[in-house]
Amino acid sequence: AQSVSQHNHHVILSEAASLELGCNYSYGGTVNLFWYVQYPGQHLQLLLKYFSGDPLVKGIKGFEAEFIKSKFSFNLRKPSVQWSDTAEYFCVLKSDRGSTLGRLYFGRGTQLTVWP
Amino acid sequence: DGGITQSPKYLFRKEGQNVTLSCEQNLNHDAMYWYRQDPGQGLRLIYYSQIVNDFQKGDIAEGYSVSREKKESFPLTVTSAQKNPTAFYLCASSSRTGGWGYGYTFGSGTRLTVV
Repeated sequence: AQSVSQHNHHVILSEAASLELGCNYSYGGTVNLFWYVQYPGQHLQLLLKYFSGDPLVKGIKGFEAEFIKSKFSFNLRKPSVQWSDTAEYFCVLKSDRGSTLGRLYFGRGTQLTVWP
Repeated sequence: DGGITQSPKYLFRKEGQNVTLSCEQNLNHDAMYWYRQDPGQGLRLIYYSQIVNDFQKGDIAEGYSVSREKKESFPLTVTSAQKNPTAFYLCASSSRTGGWGYGYTFGSGTRLTVV
């Protein structure tokens, strides 16, 4: 069965620290992976997505993620975080199969708090 | 501008009452989804619909019902059978055209509180 695991539930960093949020998935079909962000009181927003091709994908606001097929991972990174990056981050898998085509499977989310 | 409208933003309900959450989209998207968000649990799928007049149960459908009579609308009813209805509810839609390029759009959510 398809699933998404996020290892860290809450990460606390100081500004300018580097960030890496872990994400592992379990899925037998073609992999479509996303990272979404939810800033306090705002909509879910797409940070970046991987469908195929270059496994290192770049998104908005300086975020990037690397798809490592052998590790079933899609970790999110940012070299230097800012206070404004405080938000909840979700790793998400999209199904490409049959009756679940188009469904999203969410990880539990990681709350990132950045101290100024 | 195209998008998804969820209403109301905040909703209070007495125990034992049914309540319906509205979701309307003007994106011409085929598929629509209802998710429930609870702290520390991410988003869990309640129901989804890939075409008009058809819908499927998600992972936590018990105590909920939906209808899809129009492409633009996918209302969710939280019934009195739902044991723990207090939560944040998100509606989403996606296009099935364009190969793998279909994107998701999320509404701004409805926070339901049972009092």
